[in-house]
Amino acid sequence: GEDVEQSLFLSVREGDSSVINCTYTDSSSTYLYWYKQEPGAGLQLLTYIFSNMDMKQDQRLTVLLNKKDKHLSLRIADTQTGDSAIYFCAESALIKAAGNKLTFGGGTRVLVKP
Amino acid sequence: DVKVTQSSRYLVKRTGEKVFLECVQDMDHENMFWYRQDPGLGLRLIYFSYDVKMKEKGDIPEGYSVSREKKERFSLILESASTNQTSMYLCASSLGAGGGEQYFGPGTRLTVT
Repeated sequence: GEDVEQSLFLSVREGDSSVINCTYTDSSSTYLYWYKQEPGAGLQLLTYIFSNMDMKQDQRLTVLLNKKDKHLSLRIADTQTGDSAIYFCAESALIKAAGNKLTFGGGTRVLVKP
Repeated sequence: DVKVTQSSRYLVKRTGEKVFLECVQDMDHENMFWYRQDPGLGLRLIYFSYDVKMKEKGDIPEGYSVSREKKERFSLILESASTNQTSMYLCASSLGAGGGEQYFGPGTRLTVT
């Protein structure tokens, strides 16, 4: 079955770059996602990458995908205090040709220190 | 603007009670999901539905059931609540086709005493 692993915690200084890492097991995943959860809120989609891409950049966010090693990373440039949150990576699997089911990692809690 | 709403933000129930958690989406999405979130375990899928009156078990369906009578509404039912079901419950929806981006509700924090 699918399995997604992330480190539990990351501490970073304001203005530095953050890198959150994720490994997954399902090589047939078509999309890989990064979600952000702020305290007391649901999950918000940050960005995603299609499995035939190596990199995707979206403003301060850079996603790198190493399909051979099944490794996904999210880099946040110029990290701000508002970036303090839990970040989840997720891999997708097809549900009976009716859409995709996501398997989530355990989440990485990012703490940005001023 | 996309919207997924859940009936309660906080809920306290007693062991053995029947509990209903309601989720409504206004995006005409085919797929709806119920997860529970526990620290360090991420989100675990309880049940999902890809059409009205259709349901599929997720990874941890034991102790739960679901109902989807209308496209926009997906209910999670705890037939007899137990303390190990104390958790944050998140509902999500997604289009039937496409990449699978899921839109989440704000969550219901359920405490079973």
